[in-house]
Amino acid sequence: NAGVTQTPKFQVLKTGQSMTLQCAQDMNHNSMYWYRQDPGMGLRLIYYSASEGTTDKGEVPNGYNVSRLNKREFSLRLESAAPSQTSVYFCATSRGRFNEAFFGQGTRLTVV
Amino acid sequence: AQTVTQSQPEMSVQEAETVTLSCTYDTSESDYYLFWYKQPPSRQMILVIRQEAYKQQNATENRFSVNFQKAAKSFSLKISDSQLGDAAMYFCAYRSADAGNMLTFGGGTRLMVKP
Repeated sequence: NAGVTQTPKFQVLKTGQSMTLQCAQDMNHNSMYWYRQDPGMGLRLIYYSASEGTTDKGEVPNGYNVSRLNKREFSLRLESAAPSQTSVYFCATSRGRFNEAFFGQGTRLTVV
Repeated sequence: AQTVTQSQPEMSVQEAETVTLSCTYDTSESDYYLFWYKQPPSRQMILVIRQEAYKQQNATENRFSVNFQKAAKSFSLKISDSQLGDAAMYFCAYRSADAGNMLTFGGGTRLMVKP
């Protein structure tokens, strides 16, 4: 009963480095999301995938790319990390558009 | 685009007392869903309660209840008999029934519970 699993949990990057955040779910949900959480701003949507094979931009997509590898996995890539991307990143899933989201435990990313 | 506003950055309550967290939202849609999430220091996001806009009856989950005022676009969370374990960040969230799958969050309210 893992639910939504994110890796890694913590990461420090140097400016300009790249990395991929991984997310996997065993809930058989169609929709998956990537959010970032910054102090005082709640969670903001970066990208989402309504179903396998589709992805769409959210509120703050610049500097990120995503891949919906299959129904279970949805990855977020930072091609050239910037200090402004220092944040906590959450992956989430939901069964459909009318359902609540279930979240992973987050990845704390620091870009120096 | 929809916006969600939580006007109280911090709230405190005495253990066993009742506290109400405020949330307002801006939308032109008539069909949508509202949620309250709790985020304890562990960082995990936990669903507290949900409300469908087409339902007039306010949702209730044990000690948690909402006051949903659709015309006023207000969605407050009431926590009764507050417990130390209720201390956390609370986020209000909005999901449109039409515009894709976006879940829009407010900025959060930090709730402190005093023993």
